[in-house]
Amino acid sequence: AQSVTQLGSHVSVSEGALVLLRCNYSSSVPPYLFWYVQYPNQGLQLLLKYTSAATLVKGINGFEAEFKKSETSFHLTKPSAHMSDAAEYFCAVSDNNNDMRFGAGTRLTVKP
Amino acid sequence: NAGVTQTPKFRILKIGQSMTLQCTQDMNHNYMYWYRQDPGMGLKLIYYSVGAGITDKGEVPNGYNVSRSTTEDFPLRLELAAPSQTSVYFCASSTTGTGRGELFFGEGSRLTVL
Repeated sequence: AQSVTQLGSHVSVSEGALVLLRCNYSSSVPPYLFWYVQYPNQGLQLLLKYTSAATLVKGINGFEAEFKKSETSFHLTKPSAHMSDAAEYFCAVSDNNNDMRFGAGTRLTVKP
Repeated sequence: NAGVTQTPKFRILKIGQSMTLQCTQDMNHNYMYWYRQDPGMGLKLIYYSVGAGITDKGEVPNGYNVSRSTTEDFPLRLELAAPSQTSVYFCASSTTGTGRGELFFGEGSRLTVL
């Protein structure tokens, strides 16, 4: 079955600094890849998704992710962190069935 | 815009009790899902449904049951609650299967089994 590994359960950056959240996937077929964000006491919201149309995917709130097949990676980046970006971020993979697999999550802290 | 609505938001159960978590969506989505979220574990799929009358098991179905009598509702039943079922439960819906479509999540139901 497909799976994702998120490197780093906690990431802390200063406001204005680069945000880099790492995700590596495993899939036997070309995958569909997603990043979701969860704010405290809320459900998950889609940030962006990769479905093979373009390797660089732009999402909401200035986030983007690049699909690198050779590295089996789908890292999430944002050039300049805002305080409002503090949340938990989940990478997810699906191989076109109904079983989307989520990573363990990375909690992002933004320091003033 | 209600989206996906879950009730209750919080519940404490005693070991061996049963309960139903309710989930309703008003987006006319065919696909609905139940996940549980445990700290450091991400989300695990319990059950899903591709339409009224059709349900299937996910990764962690033991101890749970579901039904899908209408497009809107997808309740999750816990029989004989155990401490291992202490978790946050999320219901989600989608216009297509998870391979292509965005999941729309409810706000979650926090369940504690003592």
